Amino acid sequence: SYELTQPPSVSVSPGQTASITCSGDKLGDKYAYWYQQRPGQSPVLVIYQNTKRPSGIPERFSGSNSGNTATLTISGTQALDEADYFCQAWDSSTAIFGGGTKLTVL
Amino acid sequence: QVQLQESGPGLVKPSQTLSLTCTVSGGSIRNYYWTWIRQPPGKGLEWIAYIFHSGSTNYNPSLKSRVTISVDTSKNQFSLKLNSVTAADTAVYYCARCTSSYYFDYWGPGTLVTVSS
Repeated sequence: SYELTQPPSVSVSPGQTASITCSGDKLGDKYAYWYQQRPGQSPVLVIYQNTKRPSGIPERFSGSNSGNTATLTISGTQALDEADYFCQAWDSSTAIFGGGTKLTVL
Repeated sequence: QVQLQESGPGLVKPSQTLSLTCTVSGGSIRNYYWTWIRQPPGKGLEWIAYIFHSGSTNYNPSLKSRVTISVDTSKNQFSLKLNSVTAADTAVYYCARCTSSYYFDYWGPGTLVTVSS
């Protein structure tokens, strides 16, 4: 079965750039989606179709996807960006989520 | 503004059936895929199934033998049944809307279901 692998944790200083990776076999041939989940809250879509931002998501969130790796980049990271981030893709009509990355803003 | 709300028992005994309903308000249930996703405490997200308003369905292969998803367009609701539950099915269960571009844009607040005797 298809798997997506994320680092368990990423740390970043306020104002710096955070990059969270998501790896899967030929992931670049699929669309990657990213969800932010703050503690005790439901996930929120931050990137869809590799690079697109939903309405209301700040411009500091961006995405890319090529080869076997999709990347979520948060520029000028703020304290409120501290959350769990999950990547997601579809494989054989099944939604697959990565294990999640806890972003800590130190 | 579309809103989703899960409802159902918070405690289910092992080997019994977990039943949840999601009520959709602020929009029609038509022309979207309606989805169940779960998250065990402290763990990641797992997609369970989706159903189109017409009734066509798709299930996670790992759960397919135990899951049934259904829709009631007259009530703007869709439902989940998961049978033969064990402690491993303890999780927060979310209902969510999936668009034609295959992303989940609206989520319910989630409901914790604990499997325990």
